[in-house]
This record gives sequence, structure tokens and C-alpha cells, in this order.
Amino acid sequence: SQQGEEDPQALSIQEGENATMNCSYKTSINNLQWYRQNSGRGLVHLILIRSNEREKHSGRLRVTLDTSKKSSSLLITASRAADTASYFCATDGYSTLTFGKGTMLLVSP
Amino acid sequence: NAGVTQTPKFRVLKTGQSMTLLCAQDMNHEYMYWYRQDPGMGLRLIHYSVGEGTTAKGEVPDGYNVSRLKKQNFLLGLESAAPSQTSVYFCASSLLEGTDTQYFGPGTRLTVL
Repeated sequence: SQQGEEDPQALSIQEGENATMNCSYKTSINNLQWYRQNSGRGLVHLILIRSNEREKHSGRLRVTLDTSKKSSSLLITASRAADTASYFCATDGYSTLTFGKGTMLLVSP
Repeated sequence: NAGVTQTPKFRVLKTGQSMTLLCAQDMNHEYMYWYRQDPGMGLRLIHYSVGEGTTAKGEVPDGYNVSRLKKQNFLLGLESAAPSQTSVYFCASSLLEGTDTQYFGPGTRLTVL
């Protein structure tokens, strides 16, 4: 069963705009991770946020976590065409990660 | 470092045939995983291993077997392939526990006719 669910399923923006995608989950977590997948490639880890953290930054990425609402958001600022990819959230289960179905982001020049 | 590698990259099988997918990592990671990715379904865990000589079932283990004879290798076997096993298969590894950051291979695209 899927723990995290991303929203929206697809997002189309212009270069320079910000992109925000959300992840909701059902049970308590210790940490939540975001991954990126370029077309035809494997997933690449972007950022990990622990349950006692509310916000974390990495370059143009900003992740927030609201454990009371069981939700997280990934913000990509000043998007570039190279940011075109699918983005997945992953939550920690009993001993492994559970991935959502992803948000497909298209950044047009 | 090559990271996580997968062999082969593509494969076409006929129903009932068998094959083995090989995953290798050179990061000395304890944990290794096999996922399948289908359109609209995200990644689903097939089997995983918490160390050499160990394996465990994931979310969708039926029709697959795995072995971890060496720490750096994790093999996924299909004994009798079915069209429902047409998918893209990803291997991943992590250093510590299963909820640690995972490093993924490039994937194997398998088609079962």
C-alpha cells in the first residue's frame, strides 16, 4: 500500500517560476525524503527531513514538514528546464521506504 | 565509484522463460532492494536484504526470488515470466537501516511477451 501521495500528479510551468508539490501520508514517520527521477533513469535522492524538523533547504530546494497535518511540500525556486523530472516523496515504514506515485514536473523554456 | 549498476539494461522474454537480473554496488552498503515501477503505480518493493546471506519479502514478492550471496551483489530471479511482470526494475542500496537514503541503479526494462 502507498504511504505517501504526491499532489498534483502533473505540473507544467515556465522557466524562472517556482514549483510546489505536496506529499500527504497516513501514519507517523521518523523521516521523509524527496527523490527526483529523470526520464528513463533511476531515482536520485534530493533531501531528507526528520520528524522533529519543520523546514530544510538545499540550494534551490525548500522542504517543509507538518507532522500534525501529515504533509510535506517541496518547493523548487527559479525553475530551470533541467528540473523537468518526476518527483517522489518517500516515507519510512517498519524497515524500508514507501514511495508515492510521484509528481511529473515539466519546465518549459 | 560506479555506485549501483544493473545488468542487463533491456530484456525481452517469452512467457514461461526464466531470467536473472544482477545488481552490484561498490559502496559497501549493507541494505539492498529490488523495486518495480509501473505507469501510475510508483515504485513497489519486491524484495530486500539487510545484509549478506539475508533476504526478506516486500510489498509484491510473488513470482520473484532473490539471493544475496555476496555483500555487493543482489540477484533478482524470475522463474517463469508472465506478461504481468513487464515493468522497469530498479535496484537500490543504503548504508545503514532501510529508512536511510537509498542509491538507485539505472534500471532494467523487461518486456514479457
